[in-house]
Amino acid sequence: DQQVKQNSPSLSVQEGRISILNCDYTNSMFDYFLWYKKYPAEGPTFLISISSIKDKNEDGRFTVFLNKSAKHLSLHIVPSQPGDSAVYFCAASVSSGYSTLTFGKGTMLLVSP
Amino acid sequence: DVKVTQSSRYLVKRTGEKVFLECVQDMDHENMFWYRQDPGLGLRLIYFSYDVKMKEKGDIPEGYSVSREKKERFSLILESASTNQTSMYLCASSPSTPLAEQYFGPGTRLTVT
Repeated sequence: DQQVKQNSPSLSVQEGRISILNCDYTNSMFDYFLWYKKYPAEGPTFLISISSIKDKNEDGRFTVFLNKSAKHLSLHIVPSQPGDSAVYFCAASVSSGYSTLTFGKGTMLLVSP
Repeated sequence: DVKVTQSSRYLVKRTGEKVFLECVQDMDHENMFWYRQDPGLGLRLIYFSYDVKMKEKGDIPEGYSVSREKKERFSLILESASTNQTSMYLCASSPSTPLAEQYFGPGTRLTVT
């Protein structure tokens, strides 16, 4: 049973436009959510996170929105740049546990010039 | 800067061989994790450790074992490699504080022939 779902395997966006990556979860115990970015042949790098006590967190061009009632979060990248082209993984955890992360399958973002 | 290093970037082994993947972190983190990444499946947790000599099974532990004799080092062992263990293996570490992100190594691409 997939607890974290990223239903779009890929997304193509033009440079300068907004990229919106979506993520849904089923486990209501999850209370901390993270986005990781992964380039080919490299390990994932942390991008941004949000705790369930918030509904929005912003860091530069990256904003994550959390809708707890819908069990849905999204990552907005504005403006998108070609260097943002990568695979983006949504991850969720239970903060009272061992800090293990449950990952989605990832969305490949391609930003074209 | 947190550094997580993995012993090999690429590894080719034969079916039935015993395989050791080594991971070292330099930030005195309590938690360490092993994942595998496969196309269309995202990152799946194999094993994790929250302290020296302590280990916990993740979502897909079958066919793997781990060892953590020192805080900075976490080894993944494939007792008898099989072709379905061909994958990208990623090690990560994190402090034990709540809401801590995980830091990933560059990955080991293992091919079992």
